[in-house]
Amino acid sequence: AQSVTQLGSHVSVSEGALVLLRCNYSSSVPPYLFWYVQYPNQGLQLLLKYTTGATLVKGINGFEAEFKKSETSFHLTKPSAHMSDAAEYFCAVTPLLGNNDMRFGAGTRLTVKP
Amino acid sequence: DTEVTQTPKHLVMGMTNKKSLKCEQHMGHRAMYWYKQKAKKPPELMFVYSYEKLSINESVPSRFSPECPNSSLLNLHLHALQPEDSALYLCASSHPGVNEQFFGPGTRLTVL
Repeated sequence: AQSVTQLGSHVSVSEGALVLLRCNYSSSVPPYLFWYVQYPNQGLQLLLKYTTGATLVKGINGFEAEFKKSETSFHLTKPSAHMSDAAEYFCAVTPLLGNNDMRFGAGTRLTVKP
Repeated sequence: DTEVTQTPKHLVMGMTNKKSLKCEQHMGHRAMYWYKQKAKKPPELMFVYSYEKLSINESVPSRFSPECPNSSLLNLHLHALQPEDSALYLCASSHPGVNEQFFGPGTRLTVL
């Protein structure tokens, strides 16, 4: 079964600094991959997704992620952090075939310091 | 309309109560989901409905009973819950197959 591992339960950056949130997946067949953001007391909002095609995926709010099959990774980056980026970020995976049972990583809490 | 709505926003119930959570979407999605999220944890899949039929039940206790009366609505009936069932319950929808899921804001449930 597919799974994802997020390295670092908590990442702290300064405003304007690079944001890098790590995600590795475990699957013999490359799955579909997603990054979601959750603000306090809210639901999850899709940032970006990788299904097929271009391995560098651009999402909302200036985030992007690169699918690297050789490294089984799908790390999320943003060149310059903003205070409003402070939230919980989840990497998620679904199988290529099946019932779209999405599995989430443990999450990474991003703190942005002024 | 590109949102998933959930009611109520907050719910407090005793262990002997019966209550229901409701979820609605008008995006034409034919797959709908219930997730449970404990504090500081990721969402955990509970149920998946595809074309109004239950396709996944992740061994959820029978005190949780899902219902999909039509393609736009999803209910979660609650009965005889335990305090450990207190959590944020998230509803999501998608096109069937492998596509991104759209999440509602959740219902914060407290069981006393």
